[in-house]
Amino acid sequence: NAGVTQTPKFQVLKTGQSMTLQCAQDMNHNSMYWYRQDPGMGLRLIYYSASEGTTDKGEVPNGYNVSRLNKREFSLRLESAAPSQTSVYFCASSATQGASTEAFFGQGTRLTVV
Amino acid sequence: AQSVTQPDIHITVSEGASLELRCNYSYGATPYLFWYVQSPGQGLQLLLKYFSGDTLVQGIKGFEAEFKRSQSSFNLRKPSVHWSDAAEYFCAVGARGNTPLVFGKGTRLSVIA
Repeated sequence: NAGVTQTPKFQVLKTGQSMTLQCAQDMNHNSMYWYRQDPGMGLRLIYYSASEGTTDKGEVPNGYNVSRLNKREFSLRLESAAPSQTSVYFCASSATQGASTEAFFGQGTRLTVV
Repeated sequence: AQSVTQPDIHITVSEGASLELRCNYSYGATPYLFWYVQSPGQGLQLLLKYFSGDTLVQGIKGFEAEFKRSQSSFNLRKPSVHWSDAAEYFCAVGARGNTPLVFGKGTRLSVIA
């Protein structure tokens, strides 16, 4: 039972480079989320998708784009990476729209922008 | 807007001692409350959750939490801490409807012999 799978696990980018973080869940969940985790800041929501075909901005969306490719997959794209985007990125999913059930998290992607 | 405050950034306890991690939330209606644990280099694992009903909820690994509406709190407790409990703990609040979880900044727990 894989749950939420994120790729890659580690990545180093140069400033200005682009990349896409991939996320897939096999729990048939409707909602998916991207958070970033920085020391002392907890988890902050970047974007979320309440259902297939919809996406919404979270607390810190600037510099990111997302695509809900299908019900299983939700990708996060950095078009022009900046050192401020050095962080650990977590994808999560939940069974219903909103938070009436818990979110399940992937193992994270540790991104360094130099 | 929803918010979560975890007043303690870092707590150190002795193995076998009791533990209480504090969490205060701000939300206008009845909140859905969660505690997650994160071991180094890992993702977040759900410890327990509160939606309604009994205000004392039991979770995995011997943890429990109590919802106190009058204090807007949802503190996490464990009677006897084990070395393997050393990790970072996050409190989160959610709501019915299309609202993602809002997390506190976390409390790092260290366990000493």
